[in-house]
Amino acid sequence: DTEVTQTPKHLVMGMTNKKSLKCEQHMGHRAMYWYKQKAKKPPELMFVYSYEKLSINESVPSRFSPECPNSSLLNLHLHALQPEDSALYLCASSQESRQVSPGELFFGEGSRLTVL
Amino acid sequence: LAKTTQPISMDSYEGQEVNITCSHNNIATNDYITWYQQFPSQGPRFIIQGYKTKVTNEVASLFIPADRKSSTLSLPRVSLSDTAVYYCLVVQSGNTPLVFGKGTRLSVIA
Repeated sequence: DTEVTQTPKHLVMGMTNKKSLKCEQHMGHRAMYWYKQKAKKPPELMFVYSYEKLSINESVPSRFSPECPNSSLLNLHLHALQPEDSALYLCASSQESRQVSPGELFFGEGSRLTVL
Repeated sequence: LAKTTQPISMDSYEGQEVNITCSHNNIATNDYITWYQQFPSQGPRFIIQGYKTKVTNEVASLFIPADRKSSTLSLPRVSLSDTAVYYCLVVQSGNTPLVFGKGTRLSVIA
């Protein structure tokens, strides 16, 4: 199984809602990532988890709250978002050290978020 | 992290070979060169990576000259389904995160 599964594929929420994006992988990867991608722009790194611990937060606003409940799951909790937060949110996973294949991340298909 | 520069867009006809060149003048000794492909509304997909000389797989070839300051992704005989954005990344071995540049938007025309 070389898949990263993201749910939901599409999400529409109001600015006062609380919602969550979910990501799951069963490749035994111990590093997991959240990226945000606006239309016609490259993916931008948001968070990195290593062995279920947050290792990198790229100065992301607190209205985005990541969580890694176990080695296979990664969540992104959303609260009080703004319309400009509308984007494709991508989850990825990799071997933690990436010594064998340094550049290889496995991405999910993304969750398309629209904030009204 | 070494900065990468690649063309914003390229057009090609079906059946042609496409070469996309990426400049990375500040590449460090331990850095690898990695390429990703991304279709609209999908996550990026790893295509190929290399350290020096030439690497080939079932999808593409990657040519890296001796000075490693640039690299060329070669896609043989492209088809309409190869229309996508192609990202060149310079990656350190280990667990440093991947940072994507602007990418090259390839359009394949029938």
